[in-house]
Amino acid sequence: GEDVEQSLFLSVREGDSSVINCTYTDSSSTYLYWYKQEPGAGLQLLTYIFSNMDMKQDQRLTVLLNKKDKHLSLRIADTQTGDSAIYFCAEPFLTGTASKLTFGTGTRLQVTL
Amino acid sequence: DAGVIQSPRHEVTEMGQEVTLRCKPISGHDYLFWYRQTMMRGLELLIYFNNNVPIDDSGMPEDRFSAKMPNASFSTLKIQPSEPRDSAVYFCASSYSGAPYEQYFGPGTRLTVT
Repeated sequence: GEDVEQSLFLSVREGDSSVINCTYTDSSSTYLYWYKQEPGAGLQLLTYIFSNMDMKQDQRLTVLLNKKDKHLSLRIADTQTGDSAIYFCAEPFLTGTASKLTFGTGTRLQVTL
Repeated sequence: DAGVIQSPRHEVTEMGQEVTLRCKPISGHDYLFWYRQTMMRGLELLIYFNNNVPIDDSGMPEDRFSAKMPNASFSTLKIQPSEPRDSAVYFCASSYSGAPYEQYFGPGTRLTVT
């Protein structure tokens, strides 16, 4: 798959939940990733989900995977101002024993008071 | 570990000049990736190495760009001659060849070509 699609912008109020969506293309992807990029910094892995899972929860983060629709979502509960960043969905293209990643366009999350 | 180290963090140069960006991957990682990020094109993979050997350079924009990895702890991305359209943030990332194949990104080099 070559196109990982995300909406470009999301604005939420502090304390509300944020849901960031992603559509990927390669049904054989073994892992799917969410990366976070804070202003002036590189990307940092936030969480990932293995393809045999439907859901993964990690504190305030919940990842949902719908393989039938090739849809991945990231829910952030109780969104804080420190969550303001760009969030990238990524899927791998396995090359032997490792993988290059294709990143989505990124969703800019703005948290307002 | 100090993470992926990139230098310089900021580079301002004039059109036509040679620019060299540097990267030190995380020790023990056997994959190294160079990305470019712009508002217009998003995050693009330029080239990646496995065990110091270039595997895929199909993302390198043109012959003005070249990348080397002389050893496991150092890589360079060179632009010669530079052009204003090369202005972007360049990221280096490294990973280990084992699941879940997480890539660790450096802080990036912000390049401005005037």
